[in-house]
Amino acid sequence: SYELTQPPSVSVSPGQTARITCSGDTLEKKSAYWYQQKSGQAPVLVIHEDSKRPSGIPERFSGSTSGTRATLIISGAQVDDEGDYYCYSTDSSGHHGVFGGGTKLTVL
Amino acid sequence: VQLVESGGGVVQPGRSLRLSCEGSGFTFNTYGMDMYWVRQAPGKGLEWLAVISYDGNNKYYADSVKGRFAISRDNAKNTLYLEMNSLRVEDTAVYYCAKQGAYRNGPMNYHYNAMDVWGQGTTVTVSS
Repeated sequence: SYELTQPPSVSVSPGQTARITCSGDTLEKKSAYWYQQKSGQAPVLVIHEDSKRPSGIPERFSGSTSGTRATLIISGAQVDDEGDYYCYSTDSSGHHGVFGGGTKLTVL
Repeated sequence: VQLVESGGGVVQPGRSLRLSCEGSGFTFNTYGMDMYWVRQAPGKGLEWLAVISYDGNNKYYADSVKGRFAISRDNAKNTLYLEMNSLRVEDTAVYYCAKQGAYRNGPMNYHYNAMDVWGQGTTVTVSS
């Protein structure tokens, strides 16, 4: 089986840098993706292919990977960035997806 | 680009339900336009369920739904489906459809093996 592990929660003050990690063996060979989900809304892609930012996503969102760990970095976090963040990747075949358990980001 | 799910509702355990997802604002049947179903149980995280290739020839499922759920698409109608059989109480969730990610860099189009745009979700409640 394949799993992605995230911390349940991360808390920062406004303007600080938030780092959310995602660990899993599959990340050694497969890309990581990050989704933001605000309460009652559908997920929104904020990072694709480890570190690429979709159009419309603020520059304060960035991503990095090293070995079996991916990190979402929010530089100068804002209150509006609060929500749940999920990492995503695939198994070695690329055919089956897996989400991390999610991390609740609090900015206060 | 928009995805709109429909077909959710309240159903008894053991019964069936079919969800639909209509896409607009993008070319539904082009190479690289795989489509996905993902669900989220109340108060829980996201769960990947299934993916279907742009031409419908390749389908993959999570172990939790394999053999009970079937993903399909009608490219002439720009519509994705999820046929859910033998429903269980634990299938209660918001069901989202999503499209394969794509972006443009200069003159080149790229696709990646994940979801970019999601629908708003449709709620399925399995209860007696």
